[in-house]
Amino acid sequence: GAVVSQHPSWVICKSGTSVKIECRSLDFQATTMFWYRQFPKQSLMLMATSNEGSKATYEQGVEKDKFLINHASLTLSTLTVTSAHPEDSSFYICSAPRQGAYEQYFGPGTRLTVT
Amino acid sequence: AQSVTQPDIHITVSEGASLELRCNYSYGATPYLFWYVQSPGQGLQLLLKYFSGDTLVQGIKGFEAEFKRSQSSFNLRKPSVHWSDAAEYFCAVGANTGNQFYFGTGTSLTVIP
Repeated sequence: GAVVSQHPSWVICKSGTSVKIECRSLDFQATTMFWYRQFPKQSLMLMATSNEGSKATYEQGVEKDKFLINHASLTLSTLTVTSAHPEDSSFYICSAPRQGAYEQYFGPGTRLTVT
Repeated sequence: AQSVTQPDIHITVSEGASLELRCNYSYGATPYLFWYVQSPGQGLQLLLKYFSGDTLVQGIKGFEAEFKRSQSSFNLRKPSVHWSDAAEYFCAVGANTGNQFYFGTGTSLTVIP
C-alpha cells in the first residue's frame, strides 16, 4: 500500500522560532499534498493544498506568511511554521492522493509544542 | 458545498455490545466515503471506504458500513465491540480524484468492561 511519512513525529520549540515539518510519499509520486491541523479533541481542519511546482492554496483564515509551504518535488512537501507561538501548538497531518485514485494516504502526524 | 456531520460527539458502549456510529454527508454528486479511526496521539487508520457498487462495505477489525443514498448516510457498525476499539472515529467524504477530504467532527468511543 501507499505510504506517507512525516518528520519529525514530534517537536518542541521556543516561541518566536521557526520549525519545518516534512511530508514524504515513499512509494508514489504526489503532485498534490494536503496539510491539516488538528487541535485536541477536534477534527482535522484543512490548512492548505500543496502543489508541486506552484504556489500552495491556503484555506480562508490561514496565514500564508506564517505557514510556508513548499512542494519541492513529487515526493516531498514541507510546512514551515514561522515565528511560532503557543497557539500554534497542534497536531499537523499531511495527506497525499495517488494519481487517479480517490483515496488519500495520511501521514502519521507531527505533534508541535511551542513553549 | 460538501460537508459531513457526525451527530454523536461521544458514545459509550459495553464490551461485547453492538455499535453504530452515524455519519451524514452533503454532496451534489456521488460521494467517495471513508471511515477512519484515530487512537490518542496517533495518525489516522483507514477502516473502510465506499466508491461505488455494493452499498454494504466490509472493513478491517470487523467493521462494516452501509451507504444509503436516500438518507445521505454512511453509518459505521460493528456487531461486538472490543475494549481496543476505544478511539476517535472520523467519517470523511472526498470529491473528485486527488481533491481534498472533508471530515466530520468525530465521535469519541468509550468501551466499558
